[in-house]
Amino acid sequence: SQQGEEDPQALSIQEGENATMNCSYKTSINNLQWYRQNSGRGLVHLILIRSNEREKHSGRLRVTLDTSKKSSSLLITASRAADTASYFCATLGGATNKLIFGTGTLLAVQP
Amino acid sequence: GAVVSQHPSRVICKSGTSVKIECRSLDFQATTMFWYRQFPKQSLMLMATSNEGSKATYEQGVEKDKFLINHASLTLSTLTVTSAHPEDSSFYICSALKGGSNEKLFFGSGTQLSVL
Repeated sequence: SQQGEEDPQALSIQEGENATMNCSYKTSINNLQWYRQNSGRGLVHLILIRSNEREKHSGRLRVTLDTSKKSSSLLITASRAADTASYFCATLGGATNKLIFGTGTLLAVQP
Repeated sequence: GAVVSQHPSRVICKSGTSVKIECRSLDFQATTMFWYRQFPKQSLMLMATSNEGSKATYEQGVEKDKFLINHASLTLSTLTVTSAHPEDSSFYICSALKGGSNEKLFFGSGTQLSVL
């Protein structure tokens, strides 16, 4: 399977704390994307980082990419209860334009 | 931003019936669309790539006769789950690749299929 791995599988933190999720993948990529999914709903695109980029910020989100280790991390700072959701990394690579999702991290932010 | 509409959002059907799910790109043309399947508390698994005007490309292990995909126009792809069984119950999500872009896909809101 080309599916990436994410860790942790589940993360529970208090409001105000930072949340870090990690993603590892197997093949070469054009870019890596992070998505959020609330229970039973569609996906929300959070941020995209290209293969030639190492770090990117968007609001309270910070994404890093290490292509040599085939890994990425998503940091959510000053978390809020509303951040509670599942977070998935997804890689777009090769000539196929297929977006392959990681296993996901279930984040619970306690108020 | 680009909008992808998926319909229906929820469907309940009896075992043995067929169910059609539509995925429409509302404000852009999409030569390529993707269909994903998601079981509870699991990730999205790519089922197939739908190409306008040609046959879909299925991922390994996905039965093409079971999951019929038709991409008849640049704004519409359909997934038909034929002779549905309880094990086909799942969340199905489509996404569309905006023409010329290889970066970001736009997702439908998903269809929850429950087969009794």
